[in-house]
Amino acid sequence: DARVTQTPRDKVTEMGQEVTMRCQPILGHNTVFWYRQTMMQGLELLAYFRNRAPLDDSGMPKDRFSAEMPDATLATLKIQPSEPRDSAVYFCASPRECPYEQYFGPGTRLTVT
Amino acid sequence: EDQVTQSPEALRLQEGESSSLNCSYTVSGLRGLFWYRQDPGKGPEFLFTLYSAGEEKEKERLKATLTKKESFLHITAPKPEDSATYLCAVRKYNAGNMLTFGGGTRLMVKP
Repeated sequence: DARVTQTPRDKVTEMGQEVTMRCQPILGHNTVFWYRQTMMQGLELLAYFRNRAPLDDSGMPKDRFSAEMPDATLATLKIQPSEPRDSAVYFCASPRECPYEQYFGPGTRLTVT
Repeated sequence: EDQVTQSPEALRLQEGESSSLNCSYTVSGLRGLFWYRQDPGKGPEFLFTLYSAGEEKEKERLKATLTKKESFLHITAPKPEDSATYLCAVRKYNAGNMLTFGGGTRLMVKP
């Protein structure tokens, strides 16, 4: 059963620390989306990659966030330095049969104190 | 400005009490409307895609319909295991593969 995996599932860190979240998309898929979910803002698109190249990262604060896809099996989202307002659940998603029917990972719950 | 609005924000039903969730949208050039289910602590799970007005999709107790301005997710004789947050999202032309999500409807079905 193909699925998207994310690590870590939970992360608690102090303000100012670097946070790296990892995503393994469905094997063979070349597109990855990063989302952030909060109670106030709901589900927001941060960035997405196709064939390891960034296609859109307009939803991502550039000063502290960076996203990469070093190979087809790994995508990363990094926050440096982290701030309390970054506390949220971060999801990655990859499409399966169509480019727009996205399949989500279980998420990384980030808490910045 | 493109908007996706879901109502109600929360819905409590008794087991067996059928109802509908609404997703209204204002986008230029709809290329697809998607319904997802999200359980607590999990990622959204894909349910349906609708592409054109008049289209309907069904899965077990769920049926999704689409008009030019809104989509409905009808839940027939719900069971407690249908309790979840239901999200709709739209994809539009010239927006690549980006989806814009609504705020979701939290459904609670009591036995």
